[in-house]
Amino acid sequence: EIVLTQSPGTLSLSPGERATLSCRASQSVSSAYLAWYQQKPGQPPRLLIYGAFHRATGIPDRFSGSGSGTDFTLTISRLEPADFAVYYCQYYGNSPYTFGQGTKLEIK
Amino acid sequence: QVQLQESGPGLVKPSETLSLTCTVSGGSISSYYWSWFRQPPGKGLEWIGYIYYSGSTNYNPYYNPSLKSRVTISVDTSKNQFSLKLTSVTAADAAVYYCAVGFGGVVGDIWGQGTMITVSS
Repeated sequence: EIVLTQSPGTLSLSPGERATLSCRASQSVSSAYLAWYQQKPGQPPRLLIYGAFHRATGIPDRFSGSGSGTDFTLTISRLEPADFAVYYCQYYGNSPYTFGQGTKLEIK
Repeated sequence: QVQLQESGPGLVKPSETLSLTCTVSGGSISSYYWSWFRQPPGKGLEWIGYIYYSGSTNYNPYYNPSLKSRVTISVDTSKNQFSLKLTSVTAADAAVYYCAVGFGGVVGDIWGQGTMITVSS
């Protein structure tokens, strides 16, 4: 089973700043199957990135994904108030399809 | 645009079977990956299983090994629905249950709004 570890647990930033969220896999994985989600309270997750760097439909280009092997990054270039939420990475290359524990992005 | 809606009882007694249905609108269930996920209150996401149309009216389910002995996912093509059954529930099964569709794999491209399941006698 692939274990995904996200860091930091909580990230405190201000609107307009750049956010860098990390997802580290317990072993090398295919970047073709690495996804990022955003989740706000009381809402389902929203797919942001699939295949490590492909933006999902309707996702603004402020969101970008990168990485390979065991280290993946979600970058939000200029934070807007609506971006403050919890972010999860997921590996969907082989079962079980696991998630990281999440990074909470909060307003500083 | 595909939309999904979960339905089922909000309360299940310990040791009983949880049954949920996901109704798909705006698209056919005869393609793509149809999944169930869950999220205990205040915690992270867990994949439960998915079902995939493999052709010739065949649907193949795949389950999280940690839940495999208790989970069944099935499809009703006449109603454009897929369902989840989880047997012998305990308090640890209390969570928001989501159905989702993945267009290119077991990824949540589109999610239902989720339904909260409480386990209590």
